[in-house]
Formats: sequence, C-alpha cells, structure tokens
Amino acid sequence: EIVLTQSPGTLSLSPGERATLSCRASQSISSRYLAWYQQKVGQAPRLLIYGASSRATGIPDRFSGGGSGTDFTLTIGRLEPEDFAVYYCQQYGSSPLTFGGGTKVEIK
Amino acid sequence: EVQLVESGGGLVQPGGSLKLSCAASGFVFSGSALHWVRQASGKGLEWVGRIETKSNNYATSYTPSVEGRFTVFRDESKNTAYLQMNSLKIEDTAVYYCTRQGGGVPSWDWGQGTLVIVSS
Repeated sequence: EIVLTQSPGTLSLSPGERATLSCRASQSISSRYLAWYQQKVGQAPRLLIYGASSRATGIPDRFSGGGSGTDFTLTIGRLEPEDFAVYYCQQYGSSPLTFGGGTKVEIK
Repeated sequence: EVQLVESGGGLVQPGGSLKLSCAASGFVFSGSALHWVRQASGKGLEWVGRIETKSNNYATSYTPSVEGRFTVFRDESKNTAYLQMNSLKIEDTAVYYCTRQGGGVPSWDWGQGTLVIVSS
C-alpha cells in the first residue's frame, strides 16, 4: 500500500498570498496517477487536479499541480476567499487507492 | 449534469449489515467505474472500494480493512451502484460517498454522501 504524507497539516495565509502544499509518497507513483481534491466544510470533495498537473473542468488557473515519482505539489497562485478549505492528494496508480491526510488552508 | 445520490445510511449495531445505494444520472452509467469513499467525522478521506464496467468484467477491489466484509455491485437496469456492508464495526462509522470514475480518474464526480453510524 502506498502511503501519502501531506505537509504541512495546516497552512495559515492571507487572501492574495501564494500557497504551496506538499504530498509525498512512500513509493513511486506510476504514470503520475496523482490527484488533488478540495473539500469545504459540510460539502463533498471536488476534483481539482488529475494526472499530477491537469486541471479538472472549471478549475481556475490559479490552481496548479506538479511533481513526479514520490514528490508532488499543489500550488494556489493567489488565494481567494473561497480557497480556504482542506486539500487532499490521492494516488490511483496502484490498489488499494490511498489518500493523504489532508492540508487545511486557513485564513491568517 | 452528473448526479450521484446516495441513500441507505442509518444506525446499525456492531456486527450488523447495511446496504447503501448510489442512484446515478446524467451520464452513461454502463461506461463508468464507480467507487466508494468514506470519511469519519473530523477525519480524512478513505477509499473503500470500486466496481469496474461490464467491459472490464465488473472487477472489484477493496481497501484491506473492509476486504471480505464489504461488497460493491451494480445494477445496470437501475443505473444504481450498491455497497453491501456486513460484520460492521464501530470504526466503519462515517459518511460514505459514491464517486464516478472519469478519464481514468477515480473520483471525477461525487455524491453528497450518506451517514452510517455503527453503535450499540
């Protein structure tokens, strides 16, 4: 089983600032099968990024993903008020599929 | 518009059983694999299991903690997927989400979830 470790656990930033979230895998993820999801309080998660760097439908271009192998990042270029939420990475290259523990982006 | 509507959650005693449903619309049901993901209160996401399409022989796979207790199946005539949960444990308490696989991505679309509480 591939273990995903997200850091930091909490990121305290102000609107307009840049956010960089990390997702590290216990072994290499094949073919960049890495996704990022956003979850707001009381809502279901929604897909942001797939294939490590491709934005899902309707996702603003301030969200970008990168990385390969065991190290991946999600960057939010300039935080908007609606971006304060919890973000999860998921690997889907091998079964069982696994999620990271999440990073909460909160307003400073 | 893709819609996934889960139902069947509720309170069940440890050792009991429950069957969740996921009614799908807005896409070609037979062409999509379906997944179940759960989230305990205040905790992170956990992938539970999936069922592939007919063309992939309805193959299933599960996370180890539910293997042998949970079964995912689907009814093409009803555009509905199911999660049969047996031998439930207190640690199975969570909101259960149904998700649609799209473009090879396991959770392209999500339902709103249904709450399962395992308690005596």
